[in-house]
Amino acid sequence: DSGVTQTPKHLITATGQRVTLRCSPRSGDLSVYWYQQSLDQGLQFLIQYYNGEERAKGNILERFSAQQFPDLHSELNLSSLELGDSALYFCASSATGNSPLHFGNGTRLTVT
Amino acid sequence: TQLLEQSPQFLSIQEGENLTVYCNSSSVFSSLQWYRQEPGEGPVLLVTVVTGGEVKKLKRLTFQFGDARKDSSLHITAAQPGDTGLYLCAAGAGGTSYGKLTFGQGTILTVHP
Repeated sequence: DSGVTQTPKHLITATGQRVTLRCSPRSGDLSVYWYQQSLDQGLQFLIQYYNGEERAKGNILERFSAQQFPDLHSELNLSSLELGDSALYFCASSATGNSPLHFGNGTRLTVT
Repeated sequence: TQLLEQSPQFLSIQEGENLTVYCNSSSVFSSLQWYRQEPGEGPVLLVTVVTGGEVKKLKRLTFQFGDARKDSSLHITAAQPGDTGLYLCAAGAGGTSYGKLTFGQGTILTVHP
């Protein structure tokens, strides 16, 4: 158990809809990362937050947004969903911005 | 953007055999990490290599970082069914973006009893 909690585990929704994925980092970890894993693209970095502020951005679509709250949990919002957004979405946390990552078990998003 | 090429993509072997997975790039890495991922779970960090030529051992797993820090390998001795999983190499952006990782496509290893 990595100590990183992601909810929900599975999400099935229709095209055009909006969903919110939630992540609770390990106790004490200040940094949260979001990754997307799909069969064709592999595991790709989306965005990083550190103590509530955005620290780094990857190839995150404009339809996607994230935030980290004062209690350090994070949410990833995906809107105007397309079939191609179907993937596993992982959250990871680390103590600081340059310490090892601990991944959650992911949220499997299926867009129909 | 660093591009990591992993090979082979698939590996199916019998228990007791040895295997090597490779991770290559045309770029120089500040560090390289190896992860293992099992179905339904997130990747779990196995090792981080930082120095060119570095060799690290984790029980039956041996990790090597190339002298020029452009490539790495993972060697498993006497593979066991419990080694089955997806093995991923990843390179970090460094500095405060340590966790902004670029992953290889992964090697799916199946070890048959």
